[in-house]
Amino acid sequence: DQQVKQNSPSLSVQEGRISILNCDYTNSMFDYFLWYKKYPAEGPTFLISISSIKDKNEDGRFTVFLNKSAKHLSLHIVPSQPGDSAVYFCAASTQKTSYDKVIFGPGTSLSVIP
Amino acid sequence: KAGVTQTPRYLIKTRGQQVTLSCSPISGHRSVSWYQQTPGQGLQFLFEYFSETQRNKGNFPGRFSGRQFSNSRSEMNVSTLELGDSALYLCASSSANKQFFGPGTRLTVL
Repeated sequence: DQQVKQNSPSLSVQEGRISILNCDYTNSMFDYFLWYKKYPAEGPTFLISISSIKDKNEDGRFTVFLNKSAKHLSLHIVPSQPGDSAVYFCAASTQKTSYDKVIFGPGTSLSVIP
Repeated sequence: KAGVTQTPRYLIKTRGQQVTLSCSPISGHRSVSWYQQTPGQGLQFLFEYFSETQRNKGNFPGRFSGRQFSNSRSEMNVSTLELGDSALYLCASSSANKQFFGPGTRLTVL
């Protein structure tokens, strides 16, 4: 049973519009959440994170929202650019500093159409 | 600084064989973690090494093993390969709670 779910395997968005990538989790003990971005033939790169004590974290064009009661988080990219086309992984952890405790979702492939 | 490098990038093996994958971390990083990524699954944690010692281990069978050398380079070994071992194997080195991933080794088991 997947503890971290990304129910949309793929998403297409027009350049300049907002991209919203969703992630749901089942373990209420998760208290730290991360988003990674992966281009083909490259390893994932860290994008943004959020602690469970917050409900929003912003970094430039990227904002992550956390709804603990719904066990749901989302990544907003505004405005979307063609270079944002990649696979996005949501990840959750019960311990910020322990990599073996990080559970990854299956990923959502984002295509930003020029 | 050079990033995390993994060799080889692609590998084809047959069932029953064994394979060794290599990972060179970013200079100065002492922690190396290994992950398996298969289609439809997220990254699955295999193990983490720190200063030549296995610090954490994921839920994989004993056919999957690893080691780390004094220069922090790490190897991962899979024995008696099965078709289901076909995957992208990612290595990540870390420092100050930040992970940096290599490009991965794509293993295909026929």
